[in-house]
Formats: sequence, C-alpha cells, structure tokens
Amino acid sequence: ETGVTQTPRHLVMGMTNKKSLKCEQHLGHNAMYWYKQSAKKPLELMFVYSLEERVENNSVPSRFSPECPNSSHLFLHLHTLQPEDSALYLCASSQDTLAGGPITDTQYFGPGTRLTVL
Amino acid sequence: AQKVTQAQTEISVVEKEDVTLDCVYETRDTTYYLFWYKQPPSGELVFLIRRNSFDEQNEISGRYSWNFQKSTSSFNFTITASQVVDSAVYFCALSEDNYGQNFVFGPGTRLSVLP
Repeated sequence: ETGVTQTPRHLVMGMTNKKSLKCEQHLGHNAMYWYKQSAKKPLELMFVYSLEERVENNSVPSRFSPECPNSSHLFLHLHTLQPEDSALYLCASSQDTLAGGPITDTQYFGPGTRLTVL
Repeated sequence: AQKVTQAQTEISVVEKEDVTLDCVYETRDTTYYLFWYKQPPSGELVFLIRRNSFDEQNEISGRYSWNFQKSTSSFNFTITASQVVDSAVYFCALSEDNYGQNFVFGPGTRLSVLP
C-alpha cells in the first residue's frame, strides 16, 4: 500500500449504529486530518492531529469521535449519527516540521469514505 | 467571521486556452494561510499550494500560477494552456493559523476543459 488509504470506501448505517472509519498513511508523516464533504455544505476541516495529539477541533458535534493511536493511523468513531451527516469523509496526512505547524505543509489525501446515514 | 468566495460556479474552456479561477477571502487576522485544492472526477482531493499572508510573491509551477494580492483580498489561480486533465473542481481555502484554526473552504469552481 502506498499513500493514504481509507476503509471502508462505502458505508451505510442506521442512526442508532456505531461504526468507525479508518485511515492509514504510508508516507511517514506525523500529522493527520479528517475532512467532511457533503452535498449541501462547503468542505469542512473536522480534526487535526499532530504527533498523535489533537491540535484542532473545528466545532464538530460529539457524535464524531476521532482517535489517533499512532502516527500512521487515524480513526473516526461514529455514533447516533443523523441523516445530514451523510457525506464523503476524507483523510489526509502531512509532515509537521514543528517549525510552522501541520497545516503549513503539503497534505496528501485518501480516496474518502462515502457514508450514508439512513 | 472569515469567508472565502469563489464567484465562478462553473467555467468551460477549450483545450489550450488560459483560464483564471477567482478567489476572494475575508479575515480580520493579519496572519493567515491560503490554499488551493483540486478535486478531479475521481473524487480524491489534491493539495496544490499554500501561501502565508506575509508572502505576496506570485508563484508559478509549470502551467499553474497564483496571484496573491492583499490589497484586494484575492488569491487567484491561473492555468496556462489548459488540458483536458485539468477538468476538476477547484477549491480555495483560508486558515487563520497554521493548525487549522477557523479553516474555511470556498464553494468551489467546476472547470471543464473541452478537447
């Protein structure tokens, strides 16, 4: 595997389900991100992790819970979602040089997980 | 509040034409970062460029160039001699710090390059 991979690629879940999205980067980076792209709203940056510590949470509802167990893996745990949470969830990684912050460096994106909440 | 406007919803050009995608931003911060991303039909986002507010030099990368003008709060993107492979949705974005604070995207411009 190369680059950034995301599993599953497609997910359908009910509002009472609990599911997790997985992202893995094979680039040796130390920063990872979750983005949300829905049909009716602009792209949103949800979470930023640098060196496995969450450094940004852009007002995301608590039904989305990120986890970064190591620098190569990032999860997004989902519970009691709403139909309006249906979207494409994109993961990205970059190398935080620690001089400028993670967002200052080139980000590499995965193919996304298409989530449908019924 | 910060905001990014991409007034062009869709643009169509014929191959080899030059095309400029407009991006106008609003922020009260004096330090901020601007970005451009490309999303081809495959759906995977591609990071194109990041520019900080202290660097107003224009940048050129192959057929791509960016014009950053603080006086007009614009960060426009030009593709020279467009190709069919440039067909994609292009997003402009703004972050008010280097950790993604108040990170906002524009609505995107869909570019179609016709053969």
